[in-house]
Amino acid sequence: SQQGEEDPQALSIQEGENATMNCSYKTSINNLQWYRQNSGRGLVHLILIRSNEREKHSGRLRVTLDTSKKSSSLLITASRAADTASYFCATDGGSRSRLTFGEGTQLTVNP
Amino acid sequence: DADVTQTPRNRITKTGKRIMLECSQTKGHDRMYWYRQDPGLGLRLIYYSFDVKDINKGEISDGYSVSRQAQAKFSLSLESAIPNQTALYFCATSDSRQGHNEQFFGPGTRLTVL
Repeated sequence: SQQGEEDPQALSIQEGENATMNCSYKTSINNLQWYRQNSGRGLVHLILIRSNEREKHSGRLRVTLDTSKKSSSLLITASRAADTASYFCATDGGSRSRLTFGEGTQLTVNP
Repeated sequence: DADVTQTPRNRITKTGKRIMLECSQTKGHDRMYWYRQDPGLGLRLIYYSFDVKDINKGEISDGYSVSRQAQAKFSLSLESAIPNQTALYFCATSDSRQGHNEQFFGPGTRLTVL
């Protein structure tokens, strides 16, 4: 089964609003990563948060991690139409482990 | 990411045909991966290679094989394609020296099996 599960599956907002996506996982992790995918294209890495971190910022992105609840959230502030994409969380168990991806949240930002 | 290239970008084939998808990278990364993505789903790992002589099955390896011809090249083969292998296929790389498994993806190959 998927390690990361995302919520909601789809999100539609207006330009300028904030978008929040959540990810839950099942086993211990070394880090959690968020990726973005524009329609039919390859995934692009956005941000990584390590298991000993609680919050991380990068531009308009804010990621939180709660290892006690095995959950993470990605907040995109002041959204733009160009943020329209699918967003995936991926968990890394460390060392020789592989990334395990969630099923993604489809974000639509309406101009 | 232009540093990770995949060929072909699109392929239509018939059931029973042998297909090879190729991936090349100029990033100097030691690790390479093959994923498939089906509509509305996340990525599922087919095979991964931590080095030229270190190849491992992922969660959905049945019906697929791989070859790591060099550190920069990792090819995926479908020995006898079937319609449920119709999907978007991605190659990715990572650098074990970074210690955090950030992956860099190719543009994808859209495969249709009729």
